[in-house]
Amino acid sequence: GAGVSQSPSNKVTEKGKDVELRCDPISGHTALYWYRQSLGQGLEFLIYFQGNSAPDKSGLPSDRFSAERTGGSVSTLTIQRTQQEDSAVYLCASQFRGGTYNEQFFGPGTRLTVL
Amino acid sequence: QKEVEQDPGPLSVPEGAIVSLNCTYSNSAFQYFMWYRQYSRKGPELLMYTYSSGNKEDGRFTAQVDKSSKYISLFIRDSQPSDSATYLCAMSATSGTYKYIFGTGTRLKVLA
Repeated sequence: GAGVSQSPSNKVTEKGKDVELRCDPISGHTALYWYRQSLGQGLEFLIYFQGNSAPDKSGLPSDRFSAERTGGSVSTLTIQRTQQEDSAVYLCASQFRGGTYNEQFFGPGTRLTVL
Repeated sequence: QKEVEQDPGPLSVPEGAIVSLNCTYSNSAFQYFMWYRQYSRKGPELLMYTYSSGNKEDGRFTAQVDKSSKYISLFIRDSQPSDSATYLCAMSATSGTYKYIFGTGTRLKVLA
């Protein structure tokens, strides 16, 4: 079946503009994650959605970052007033939670460049 | 100090070599240890996971966990050019914990 998809694959924007990044998880997966991957850094957790529970937003670096997940499926990560330090690859992962170990399946990422 | 430390490389080896990739960690609560492979411009994909200490083998890949030393390893036997990628370790405290802590990744290049 189809894996996790993300769009756009690349986004170049000017400092101060808002951007929206989209994630389509694997059908039936109840959990969805957003991560940020910067050069020389590991994957940095941003936000976690699980079913209808309140999301864990503890990894969002500032109030310019927000995310929503509509209908328990598609998610959008929004960055307002982008800064150059926001340049990174933004990865989405989905997961079916149940059982002993539940693999996170990653999308290809959106490469964001803020000029 | 980061919770998980991983040498970023790059590591270059000739085809057929045995490759050893390692991570150290500081949190003794970690119980699940994962290795992901990430090709350029792609998302990470899970290679192997191990629960607690011990070894796990899958084809040319062996994952090893030494909880007493807080040290994990991934060995790749008979390395191939197609193994050239970045390898990330990740850890979590329990299966119910959704936050994984990732290493920075080691870039591996296998030369034909």
